[in-house]
Amino acid sequence: KNEVEQSPQNLTAQEGEFITINCSYSVGISALHWLQQHPGGGIVSLFMLSSGKKKHGRLIATINIQEKHSSLHITASHPRDSAVYICAVRGGGADGLTFGKGTHLIIQP
Amino acid sequence: GAVVSQHPSRVICKSGTSVKIECRSLDFQATTMFWYRQFPKQSLMLMATSNEGSKATYEQGVEKDKFLINHASLTLSTLTVTSAHPEDSSFYICSARDGGGALSYNEQFFGPGTRLTVL
Repeated sequence: KNEVEQSPQNLTAQEGEFITINCSYSVGISALHWLQQHPGGGIVSLFMLSSGKKKHGRLIATINIQEKHSSLHITASHPRDSAVYICAVRGGGADGLTFGKGTHLIIQP
Repeated sequence: GAVVSQHPSRVICKSGTSVKIECRSLDFQATTMFWYRQFPKQSLMLMATSNEGSKATYEQGVEKDKFLINHASLTLSTLTVTSAHPEDSSFYICSARDGGGALSYNEQFFGPGTRLTVL
């Protein structure tokens, strides 16, 4: 079973700061997802990666398959970025996702 | 982007009753749907994988007779919590994967979730 570790668990930063959230996993995967969960519980899929790097607006996600590690970066952070960010992986033989515990991000104005 | 809906968004029921939650893919055909559960301050956990036209595959520790899953069409999967008890109170989320159309095969699209409270 894949073990997914995220760090930090909690992060409070000032508006405008550059944010990095890390994710590591223990077993090889076919895809890694970064998800955003707001207080109401709804989940938004931010990225799905299998290699390299993706960028969408102020969000950047990278993955290093050899090191079994991924990072999510937020540039010019804003209070509306406050949410829980979750890393989830899909194994080669498994269908469903295995989730990290999430990083609770608060951006203060 | 692809949209997945869930109904209801919130339900409160008495202990012993059954509750049905619907998950629909609105603009794509989902051959595979997934049901997840999230207890307060815990991570999401996969409960079962639902494939259209076949029996669901349940994760270890999830009772298939208690959590009935039906995936009768390419756009609808239902989860029925039978004889619900307070310990079943949780946030239930579905996701759907495209059956090989224009969307990426590995991409999963999440529903907004259903918060179940059993009194």
